[in-house]
Amino acid sequence: KAGVTQTPRYLIKTRGQQVTLSCSPISGHRSVSWYQQTPGQGLQFLFEYFSETQRNKGNFPGRFSGRQFSNSRSEMNVSTLELGDSALYLCASSLRPVTGGMNTGELFFGEGSRLTVL
Amino acid sequence: SQQGEEDPQALSIQEGENATMNCSYKTSINNLQWYRQNSGRGLVHLILIRSNEREKHSGRLRVTLDTSKKSSSLLITASRAADTASYFCAYRSGGYQKVTFGTGTKLQVIP
Repeated sequence: KAGVTQTPRYLIKTRGQQVTLSCSPISGHRSVSWYQQTPGQGLQFLFEYFSETQRNKGNFPGRFSGRQFSNSRSEMNVSTLELGDSALYLCASSLRPVTGGMNTGELFFGEGSRLTVL
Repeated sequence: SQQGEEDPQALSIQEGENATMNCSYKTSINNLQWYRQNSGRGLVHLILIRSNEREKHSGRLRVTLDTSKKSSSLLITASRAADTASYFCAYRSGGYQKVTFGTGTKLQVIP
């Protein structure tokens, strides 16, 4: 069974540009959640999508957005990039939603997309 | 901040020794999970303990949960150099709450 695939793995952008990151979940998983990891803030929840609907959103500005397609693949977009957006962006898939419900199971993470903003 | 606290932040031990890391959280939880992350890579799920459980084992891993103290600990016995990684606790409280990760413990196992 293929794992979670994130593309691209590495990218460099300049301030003011925008970026789109992609995440393909494990086959059969309908939940995709996104996280930002930085040395200063640690792992922060960005948002979760389940069955093409955003279920929850973390404390990030509106420049951060996402969507999920009918095949459960998800994309996240960051517009008007700032230096502070440099981070490792991780996505995770799971059978059940991360938010809501009971007894949420394990998350399966991709290798991440490392974004550097210059 | 609702972020969980982990201690120690960093831990260096000799191969064969045991490693213990702790996680404290601030809300009531449904379950608590531990993840491992090798440098700059994705996280790998290690073990999940439910709020009605006090202890759980998986191979060389032992997890305890004390809901009255809002804390959990992860013990890795007979550590190996390959255990060198960062370890994170993660939990979600009831209702439509996002999953929260702890600050992480960076473990170095010296051969």
